[in-house]
Amino acid sequence: AQSVTQLGSHVSVSEGALVLLRCNYSSSVPPYLFWYVQYPNQGLQLLLKYTTGATLVKGINGFEAEFKKSETSFHLTKPSAHMSDAAEYFCAVRPVNQAGTALIFGKGTTLSVSS
Amino acid sequence: DAGITQSPRHKVTETGTPVTLRCHQTENHRYMYWYRQDPGHGLRLIHYSYGVKDTDKGEVSDGYSVSRSKTEDFLLTLESATSSQTSVYFCAISGGQGDGYTFGSGTRLTVV
Repeated sequence: AQSVTQLGSHVSVSEGALVLLRCNYSSSVPPYLFWYVQYPNQGLQLLLKYTTGATLVKGINGFEAEFKKSETSFHLTKPSAHMSDAAEYFCAVRPVNQAGTALIFGKGTTLSVSS
Repeated sequence: DAGITQSPRHKVTETGTPVTLRCHQTENHRYMYWYRQDPGHGLRLIHYSYGVKDTDKGEVSDGYSVSRSKTEDFLLTLESATSSQTSVYFCAISGGQGDGYTFGSGTRLTVV
């Protein structure tokens, strides 16, 4: 069965610093890959996704992620953190060609940003 | 979020009572999902639907049932609520394949 691992349940950065949130998946066939963000007391919002094509994917709010097949990774980055980026971030996967299969989520990483 | 609404947003209920949560979509998406979110566990799939009257169990389906009589509505029922079902419940919709989910705003359920 596929699984998703997010390394670090809590990441703290200073405002203006690089944000790096790690996500690895276990699958012999690269799946569809997603990053979601959840602000306090809200639902989850799609940040970006990788399906096919260019392996560097740009999302909303200045975030981007790179699919690396050899490392089975899909790490999320942002060059310069802003206070408003403080939230919980979830990585998720879905097997390719299984249309209705539920997304498999990692356990989430809470990002704290200090001034 | 636009196109998907959950009701109620908050509910407090007593142990042993039945509870129904509603998810309503206006996107005409085929796939709908119910998750619960708990600290330390992330999101866990309860049930999902791949069409009207077509549903299946997720990893934490015990104590829950679902129904989908119309494309737009997906109901989650706790037959006899227990304190372990205190959680935040999210509904999500998807068009399938490379689509991600669109999530509802969640229902915070407290069982006392």
